[in-house]
Amino acid sequence: EAGVTQFPSHSVIEKGQTVTLRCDPISGHDNLYWYRRVMGKEIKFLLHFVKESKQDESGMPNNRFLAERTGGTYSTLKVQPAELEDSGVYFCASSPTWKDGYTFGSGTRLTVV
Amino acid sequence: TQLLEQSPQFLSIQEGENLTVYCNSSSVFSSLQWYRQEPGEGPVLLVTVVTGGEVKKLKRLTFQFGDARKDSSLHITAAQPGDTGLYLCAGGEGSGGYQKVTFGTGTKLQVIP
Repeated sequence: EAGVTQFPSHSVIEKGQTVTLRCDPISGHDNLYWYRRVMGKEIKFLLHFVKESKQDESGMPNNRFLAERTGGTYSTLKVQPAELEDSGVYFCASSPTWKDGYTFGSGTRLTVV
Repeated sequence: TQLLEQSPQFLSIQEGENLTVYCNSSSVFSSLQWYRQEPGEGPVLLVTVVTGGEVKKLKRLTFQFGDARKDSSLHITAAQPGDTGLYLCAGGEGSGGYQKVTFGTGTKLQVIP
C-alpha cells in the first residue's frame, strides 16, 4: 500500500509569494488532515477533511491559507501571500475513519525569506 | 484546545537502560495515541489507547492510559539505538463521529550504543 505522499519536500519562497503544497492520501482514506510545526513548537492542527468536505478548519491561522480537496482525493494547501511566520514543516495525514490513528506524510519544509 | 505536556523534553541514555516518558493534561481524552518521529520523516503511529487504565505492549514498549484518561506513559525496556527519535503523544477529544487530535510537546530520546 502506498503511503501518504507530499510534494514538494522543500520549498523556499520570498515573502509575498504564493506557494501550493500537495498531499496525496492513502487510497480509500476518507479523512485527511493538515498539521504544521513551526520552529521549536509542537505540531499544530490546521484542518480536517472528510472526503471533499471540510469537517474542521478551526486551526487555519488566517485567510491567507486556503485548503481544498478535489473530489475527495488529493488535497492542496495554498498560502497567499506568504509571510515569514509561515515558515515551518507542513504535515499531511490520512486515516480510514475518525477513530483510527493517522498515517503521516514526510512533510513539506517551507521557508519564507 | 487542551495542552499536552510531555516529560522529559530530552533524554539521553545508554543502550540497555530502561526509561519512561510521560504525557499529561488537565483535560480528559477520548483516546490517546503515541507516535515516533525520525528526522526528515512524519510521525509514525505506535499505538492507540482508548480505555482508562488500558495497557498495551509492543515488544519492548509498554503504553499505559491513566484511569482518568488525562495522562499516559510510555515505558521502554532495554533501550536500543534504534529507539532513538522524537516521541509524541496525541490526545483525541470529541465523539459522535468526529475527533480532533492535539499533539504533545514531544520527548527527544537518544540511545547511545
